[in-house]
Amino acid sequence: QLQLQESGSGLVRPSQTLSLTCAVSGGSINVGGYSWGWVRQPPGKALEWIGYIYHSGYSYYNPSVKSRVSISVDRFKNQFALDLTSVTAADTAVYYCARGTSQSLLDIWGQGTLVIVSS
Amino acid sequence: EIVLTQSPGTLSLSPGERATLSCRASQTVTSNYLAWYRQKPGQAPSLLIYGASSRATGIPARFGGSGSGTDFTLTISRLEPEDFAVYYCQQYGDSPLTFGGGTRVEIK
Repeated sequence: QLQLQESGSGLVRPSQTLSLTCAVSGGSINVGGYSWGWVRQPPGKALEWIGYIYHSGYSYYNPSVKSRVSISVDRFKNQFALDLTSVTAADTAVYYCARGTSQSLLDIWGQGTLVIVSS
Repeated sequence: EIVLTQSPGTLSLSPGERATLSCRASQTVTSNYLAWYRQKPGQAPSLLIYGASSRATGIPARFGGSGSGTDFTLTISRLEPEDFAVYYCQQYGDSPLTFGGGTRVEIK
């Protein structure tokens, strides 16, 4: 059974870069037909899709963060990563990694990790 | 982008009662690619319904999805204790993917 697990720094200084990793277990990230992406949820608020990357390497990002975000895949480590630059307090949220099907349905989610942006 | 509006914001019901949640899109959802998720406190969202009306693997029959175009509904026929949570609709037919603001189902 495929499982996802987020890891990374829980505290990031304003203007710095937020970096998270999602480890994939119980299956291979190299299987075609799936996308690997990120969703975030500010405390007490709704979900916001950040972006995804396909097995082919094609990526798509939410215009709300497009100028600051990058998602990459490490096929050897069976994991993918999120980098978000120039963070502010508005980027404080629980960040979830998720698998997308070929139709972009988010069917498997990690448990989430809280990232606080503060000096 | 497609804006999803969920109503009501909060639904107060008793265990065993029927819950009806609404999700309205600002434009037609491509191929009815509309999903529903349940989020229990402190947990990640969990997929319930996809394609507007198909139950995800392992989801009990008390959960039903309906609708097409711009108007969609999630129905829970008889509320169980674990169903008191927040529910989100999401469209995945167009980028950017978007979520609704959520409906909280609370114990009356």
